[in-house]
Amino acid sequence: AQSVAQPEDQVNVAEGNPLTVKCTYSVSGNPYLFWYVQYPNRGLQFLLKYITGDNLVKGSYGFEAEFNKSQTSFHLKKPSALVSDSALYFCAVRDIGSNYQLIWGAGTKLIIKP
Amino acid sequence: DTAVSQTPKYLVTQMGNDKSIKCEQNLGHDTMYWYKQDSKKFLKIMFSYNNKELIINETVPNRFSPKSPDKAHLNLHINSLELGDSAVYFCASSQGTSTFGQETQYFGPGTRLLVL
Repeated sequence: AQSVAQPEDQVNVAEGNPLTVKCTYSVSGNPYLFWYVQYPNRGLQFLLKYITGDNLVKGSYGFEAEFNKSQTSFHLKKPSALVSDSALYFCAVRDIGSNYQLIWGAGTKLIIKP
Repeated sequence: DTAVSQTPKYLVTQMGNDKSIKCEQNLGHDTMYWYKQDSKKFLKIMFSYNNKELIINETVPNRFSPKSPDKAHLNLHINSLELGDSAVYFCASSQGTSTFGQETQYFGPGTRLLVL
C-alpha cells in the first residue's frame, strides 16, 4: 500500500539556521510527491511538488525539497529559517492505484525561535 | 479574488441537527474534494468529484452527502450531526485528470464545525 511518513511531530530551529522537515514514502510505481504548509487557522497552501526530472525542486517562500529515490525520501529544506516559517507542514504522495488521491503524512509542526 | 471559497467559516450547532457547507472555486478546475481534518490535524479525504461525477467516496457515514450542482461547486450536507463530526472541513480543487496524478490541489480556508 502507498504511504507517506513524517517521522517528526515537531521540529525546532533557531531563526537564521537551516531547516529540514523529513518525509519518506512508499509507492509501487513512480512517486508524485507534494509539500503543503498550513498556517494557524488557515487552509493548506501548496509549496512544491516532484513529478519527474531534477531531484532538487524549488518552491514558494524559499523552500526546496530533494527527491532521493534510493532512500525513498523527499525532505523539505530551507537555507535560512524565518520566524514566519512557523507552521504545520504536510508531505503527500499520489496514490496511482486509488483514483490518484493524495495520501497525506501526519504533519510536522515547525517552530522557528527568534 | 478568492480561488476556493467556503461558507460558513465557523459553524456551531447542536447534536442531531442537519447542516450544509458550501464550496465554490473560480479556477476553472474539473475536480473538487472534501477533506476532514481532526483535532490532531490529521487529513482524510472524504469525497472527490470530477465534472460533477463522484470518483472517490471513502468510508464515511451515510449522514454525509456531497452534492455538485456544477463543476465549480461542491457542497457537503451532513444529517443528524454527532459530537464526533466536530472537525475542520476543507474543500479543494484541481485541474482535470489529463496529467494523471501531477495536478496540484488548491484548498479553501476551511469550515470549523463544532457540534455541541
